[in-house]
Amino acid sequence: DSGVTQTPKHLITATGQRVTLRCSPRSGDLSVYWYQQSLDQGLQFLIQYYNGEERAKGNILERFSAQQFPDLHSELNLSSLELGDSALYFCASSGRDREALGGYTFGSGTRLTVV
Amino acid sequence: GQQLNQSPQSMFIQEGEDVSMNCTSSSIFNTWLWYKQDPGEGPVLLIALYKAGELTSNGRLTAQFGITRKDSFLNISASIPSDVGIYFCAGQNYGGSQGNLIFGKGTKLSVKP
Repeated sequence: DSGVTQTPKHLITATGQRVTLRCSPRSGDLSVYWYQQSLDQGLQFLIQYYNGEERAKGNILERFSAQQFPDLHSELNLSSLELGDSALYFCASSGRDREALGGYTFGSGTRLTVV
Repeated sequence: GQQLNQSPQSMFIQEGEDVSMNCTSSSIFNTWLWYKQDPGEGPVLLIALYKAGELTSNGRLTAQFGITRKDSFLNISASIPSDVGIYFCAGQNYGGSQGNLIFGKGTKLSVKP
């Protein structure tokens, strides 16, 4: 158990629908990161939050949004889903330092299947 | 944006053999990291490198931070079946929007007993 909790583990939904993925960071970590892993695309950075504020944005579609709440858990909202959104979505967290280096701790991911 | 080229894409080796994989970038990084991902799980950090030229070991794993800061390699000695998985390199820079990890596309390792 990495300490980063993601729910649900699996999600199957239809095109056009909206889903919410949830992440609880490791205890004490202030930064949360979301990554998308498609079959042939590796791990693509979506967005980072630090202590409730958006810190960095990657290749996140406008149909996707995220937030980090006061208790530091984070949610990734995916709307108007398309077949191509099917992927593994990982949440990761890192330590107290705003400029933390040394890598992140990843959760086990949510596998999203859009049918 | 920054991209990492990781090679090889996949490897099929015999148990007991040594493995070598590498990662190159067109731009420099302050930190290089190597992760392993088992099926159905998230990536797990294996080794982190913070200084150009640094050579770091973790058991049978050895990784180096290239002196140009644009590359890194990972060696696995005397491979065993549980080494199977996908290995990712990642680069990281200091501060701001560059603080996030940039990942290579991974090297899929298969080990024949």
